[in-house]
Amino acid sequence: ILNVEQSPQSLHVQEGDSTNFTCSFPSSNFYALHWYRWETAKSPEALFVMTLNGDEKKKGRISATLNTKEGYSYLYIKGSQPEDSATYLCAPHRDDKIIFGKGTRLHILP
Amino acid sequence: SAVISQKPSRDICQRGTSLTIQCQVDSQVTMMFWYRQQPGQSLTLIATANQGSEATYESGFVIDKFPISRPNLTFSTLTVSNMSPEDSSIYLCSVGGELAGYTFGSGTRLTVV
Repeated sequence: ILNVEQSPQSLHVQEGDSTNFTCSFPSSNFYALHWYRWETAKSPEALFVMTLNGDEKKKGRISATLNTKEGYSYLYIKGSQPEDSATYLCAPHRDDKIIFGKGTRLHILP
Repeated sequence: SAVISQKPSRDICQRGTSLTIQCQVDSQVTMMFWYRQQPGQSLTLIATANQGSEATYESGFVIDKFPISRPNLTFSTLTVSNMSPEDSSIYLCSVGGELAGYTFGSGTRLTVV
């Protein structure tokens, strides 16, 4: 069983502040790591697919880093906005399937 | 990326009944995936549906409980059979790949009473 841990489980951040959260996963047989944003009543939306150790990807105010040797990834949000309120899921890909963590639920406070 | 239409968006069902969820994709895809998220749990893969062959189920999921149809390359259904309150979940279909990322339907929020 592939154990995927995301922390924190829930996070409240003041609008305008920056924040980050963590995804940890077994480093053996790593193939790719996915990040998704899931807003209430909507579909999960792909943010990043990362494959290389040391990789860093950016999409607007959101960026992610990847360490495949130690088995973790960070997601950063700079200058949080109300529309960033969502659950952020990470999902390492291995053995022809992706395994999702439980997510970090982000609440942006006005 | 593909666009998926999933329905129903939500339903409240009596225990012991069955519900069929449909997903229509705007392009032909080889594999479609069905997921479930129970309250407080991870999004969990139920099965992979290939056109022209039987679906492949993950550990803990069986065909009698979650029969899947895949009549063509753009459409699939998942049936939740003989429902109990433990089946109350969000059900999602998905298409995509390990390097391109996955696209999801809008989800079916099922409550079993």
